[in-house]
Amino acid sequence: DVKVTQSSRYLVKRTGEKVFLECVQDMDHENMFWYRQDPGLGLRLIYFSYDVKMKEKGDIPEGYSVSREKKERFSLILESASTNQTSMYLCASRGGRMNTEAFFGQGTRLTVV
Amino acid sequence: AQTVTQSQPEMSVQEAETVTLSCTYDTSENNYYLFWYKQPPSRQMILVIRQEAYKQQNATENRFSVNFQKAAKSFSLKISDSQLGDTAMYFCAFSSATNKLIFGTGTLLAVQP
Repeated sequence: DVKVTQSSRYLVKRTGEKVFLECVQDMDHENMFWYRQDPGLGLRLIYFSYDVKMKEKGDIPEGYSVSREKKERFSLILESASTNQTSMYLCASRGGRMNTEAFFGQGTRLTVV
Repeated sequence: AQTVTQSQPEMSVQEAETVTLSCTYDTSENNYYLFWYKQPPSRQMILVIRQEAYKQQNATENRFSVNFQKAAKSFSLKISDSQLGDTAMYFCAFSSATNKLIFGTGTLLAVQP
């Protein structure tokens, strides 16, 4: 079974903290994604990576950065967490062709207080 | 830039009945894929069905089928013989040669007993 594992299911952080969300996949997928899910807004793409050390901004990259030093791991970084970054964060990975299925992690519910 | 629009935030259907979820998209590309994903209350996102833009024949997976109208940029999902386990959030998604995967805002489907 393909596995996409997110490091935490629930996380509570303070405003101004630096936050790391980790995602690991075990299928040697080229593409990895970070989405933010909010009620009524669906899944919004924050960043995606198509190869090691390669990244592309999504629709809402402000306040976030990413790191992909190894193929299997894609990290989302909140440089200085703010309350408006309280959300559900979903990681996904998929193979290198546009028809391939994306596999998702279980999500991380981040609350910034 | 590609966009995906789902105009029905919530829908309800009786068990064993048929329901259709709507999705429209916008792109200038000729070759792309469209997907429907399901997110049940457990939060784990799973692929329901996919359609290649070059194929005129509508995709079918058991009780799930699509109505793909390329000229109208419409991609609706039909669920036949609805079951209680179909209760979930349904997301329409778009992918092209960039491998970016863009989602709509989702439709929350409730199947009533």
